[in-house]
Amino acid sequence: DTAVSQTPKYLVTQMGNDKSIKCEQNLGHDTMYWYKQDSKKFLKIMFSYNNKELIINETVPNRFSPKSPDKAHLNLHINSLELGDSAVYFCASSQAGGLDTEAFFGQGTRLTVV
Amino acid sequence: AQTVTQSQPEMSVQEAETVTLSCTYDTSESDYYLFWYKQPPSRQMILVIRQEAYKQQNATENRFSVNFQKAAKSFSLKISDSQLGDAAMYFCAYRFSQGGSEKLVFGKGMKLTVNP
Repeated sequence: DTAVSQTPKYLVTQMGNDKSIKCEQNLGHDTMYWYKQDSKKFLKIMFSYNNKELIINETVPNRFSPKSPDKAHLNLHINSLELGDSAVYFCASSQAGGLDTEAFFGQGTRLTVV
Repeated sequence: AQTVTQSQPEMSVQEAETVTLSCTYDTSESDYYLFWYKQPPSRQMILVIRQEAYKQQNATENRFSVNFQKAAKSFSLKISDSQLGDAAMYFCAYRFSQGGSEKLVFGKGMKLTVNP
């Protein structure tokens, strides 16, 4: 069974469109994250949710809106897509309450905006 | 600000030899963890090894070991008996608490090539 799964794996869309990436974890973790990996492979945190509550928002444009319907899901909706949004987006989860807990990552979603 | 620096963007090693990947970090926190993650071409992020800041003993996982120098804020990864499957991007990461959540900050990564 996949621990953290993201859909879709690949997404190609035109500028100006709105798209969503879904993420689900079956590990029972309390905390979920979205990371963005740019073309130079740099991984940067975007959001962190703990029990459906937004904890970290790293000055991400308002066009990006995460939604957590329950603690097993954290979806990412992006409005008015721009060329610069092209990247690989990773969802991750971890158990809250310990710095030593491993963060488990999804397979990533490669978003290409044309 | 908490930062993680991997100064070598690329390295190569011969199969069966040893290679060391360097990482330094900057923090004012006293409690934190350090991690090395591997990202093969499949894109999957895989945890290689972790180290608690309070532990002086260096972590070891089979062929992977770290050299943790807390005063120098250095956290290097040594891969012994390198295998072709070790070829990947390697990310050093630092984890600390912020605003009730644990935040994981990554270095820019280093591409490791293993030559047969």
